[in-house]
Amino acid sequence: KAGVTQTPRYLIKTRGQQVTLSCSPISGHRSVSWYQQTPGQGLQFLFEYFSETQRNKGNFPGRFSGRQFSNSRSEMNVSTLELGDSALYLCASSSGQLNTEAFFGQGTRLTVV
Amino acid sequence: GQQLNQSPQSMFIQEGEDVSMNCTSSSIFNTWLWYKQEPGEGPVLLIALYKAGELTSNGRLTAQFGITRKDSFLNISASIPSDVGIYFCAGQLIQGAQKLVFGQGTRLTINP
Repeated sequence: KAGVTQTPRYLIKTRGQQVTLSCSPISGHRSVSWYQQTPGQGLQFLFEYFSETQRNKGNFPGRFSGRQFSNSRSEMNVSTLELGDSALYLCASSSGQLNTEAFFGQGTRLTVV
Repeated sequence: GQQLNQSPQSMFIQEGEDVSMNCTSSSIFNTWLWYKQEPGEGPVLLIALYKAGELTSNGRLTAQFGITRKDSFLNISASIPSDVGIYFCAGQLIQGAQKLVFGQGTRLTINP
């Protein structure tokens, strides 16, 4: 069974640009959540999508957005990039039912210059 | 944002020693999860705990869900070099919703 796949693995962008990251969850999983990991703030929850609907949202500005497609694949978008957006962005997949584990992808390392 | 208090922040031990780390919170959690992360990789799930007082093992790893539902600990017995990495605890506030709150991590270094 394939794991969680995130693309691309690495990205370098310039301030002011926008970026789209992709996540393919484990087959059969309907929940995809996104996290930002930085040395200073650790792992912070961005948002969760379940059956194409945003179910939960963290405390990030509106520049961070996401969506989920009918096949459960998800994308997150960051507009008007800032230097502080440099981070490892992690996607987690779960079935979305009660008491289920979340399985993470390898992440996308975003560097904003 | 909300965060779990994980300690210690780092550990330097000899191969073969036992390791213990814990997480505490002011909030009650429905689920506790323990992850390990290695450089350049995403966190890998080690153990999931669903009931207060639950004690669960996975090989040399043992974790417990605190009775108050506000804490959890992870023990690693007879450490080996491949145990090196950063260990994170994570709490789930809402059942079924994948909104995890993470601890700051415990960095484990092992001297052979």
